Amino acid sequence: DQQVKQNSPSLSVQEGRISILNCDYTNSMFDYFLWYKKYPAEGPTFLISISSIKDKNEDGRFTVFLNKSAKHLSLHIVPSQPGDSAVYFCAVGRYSGGGADGLTFGKGTHLIIQP
Amino acid sequence: NAGVTQTPKFQVLKTGQSMTLQCAQDMNHNSMYWYRQDPGMGLRLIYYSASEGTTDKGEVPNGYNVSRLNKREFSLRLESAAPSQTSVYFCVISTGRNSPLHFGNGTRLTVT
Repeated sequence: DQQVKQNSPSLSVQEGRISILNCDYTNSMFDYFLWYKKYPAEGPTFLISISSIKDKNEDGRFTVFLNKSAKHLSLHIVPSQPGDSAVYFCAVGRYSGGGADGLTFGKGTHLIIQP
Repeated sequence: NAGVTQTPKFQVLKTGQSMTLQCAQDMNHNSMYWYRQDPGMGLRLIYYSASEGTTDKGEVPNGYNVSRLNKREFSLRLESAAPSQTSVYFCVISTGRNSPLHFGNGTRLTVT
């Protein structure tokens, strides 16, 4: 049973528009949430994170929103740029229970930015 | 992905052959991990090592062994490769609990 779901395997967005990537989780004990970005033939790189004490965290063009009651987080990219084309993974974990060994990853969403 | 070096980058094995994937870090962190990535499956933890001399199983450890040789190096061994182990393998380090992970560039393994 998947604990972390990214229901859109791919997403196509026009350059300059907003990209919204979604992630749902099942375990309400999760309290740390991260997004990673992956280009082909490279390892994933950390993008942005949020803890459960917040509902929003912003870093430049990237904003992560957390809705704890719905067990849902989303990543907004505004404006979308061609270099944003990549696979995005959400990852969730618990501060109290474990370290990175406690992180569970979604299956990823392939974002394609069209010119 | 400076700081985490994986070798080899590519490998093709026949079923039943063995090999060791090597990983070395120059960031002086305690925690090291091996993940595999498969299409439509996301990233799954194979083994991890919280510190030199300790290793623990992750989500998908069957068919693998690991060695934390010293603080810098963490190797993953396939004793008898199977086609189901065809995957991209990532060595990962962590700066601390729940801190962002740093991934190597991966080893693409094909087992025929």
